[in-house]
Amino acid sequence: SQTIHQWPATLVQPVGSPLSLECTVEGTSNPNLYWYRQAAGRGLQLLFYSVGIGQISSEVPQNLSASRPQDRQFILSSKKLLLSDSGFYLCAWSSAGGTQYFGPGTRLTVL
Amino acid sequence: QKEVEQNSGPLSVPEGAIASLNCTYSDRGSQSFFWYRQYSGKSPELIMFIYSNGDKEDGRFTAQLNKASQYVSLLIRDSQPSDSATYLCAAASNFGNEKLTFGTGTRLTIIP
Repeated sequence: SQTIHQWPATLVQPVGSPLSLECTVEGTSNPNLYWYRQAAGRGLQLLFYSVGIGQISSEVPQNLSASRPQDRQFILSSKKLLLSDSGFYLCAWSSAGGTQYFGPGTRLTVL
Repeated sequence: QKEVEQNSGPLSVPEGAIASLNCTYSDRGSQSFFWYRQYSGKSPELIMFIYSNGDKEDGRFTAQLNKASQYVSLLIRDSQPSDSATYLCAAASNFGNEKLTFGTGTRLTIIP
């Protein structure tokens, strides 16, 4: 069966510091991968999605970036965090055209 | 802008009763619709999806879709305290389901 991992589970970072969140999927090949952010009291916001290695689509212009260095690895990065970057970051996977399944998430607090 | 709207609640339902959760969407091109359950502090988990008009049943859950009215609902029969959670509705605007638009969720509380 497929398993999706995210780390770290929680993170507290100062404003202006860099960020790297990692997501890996097991038990499937060539998945579609997604990064979402859920801010307090708001809905899930799609940040990036990828249909293959090196293929990244950005949905929201901001100070975040994503990379997919391997088939089942998806990384969310920032060079300088803002207070507004605080939130619950969720990675999801799907097969092509399939339903999205979420990882456990990373709770990020920017101070 | 494509939107999915849900009543934020909280919706309180007695144990054993039917809980009815509603969702409307603005994009007439939406093809598929998803219901996720999210416990406090946890990630969303899929309950079910629907893409044809009418009802779709899975155990205690029934999803209903009316594309003419741009309306999706989720019924939970024989509600249990473990059903207490936030329920997220999502719409996919393309057949590939890559771009899901989520509502802000309805918080459901089942009262023992």
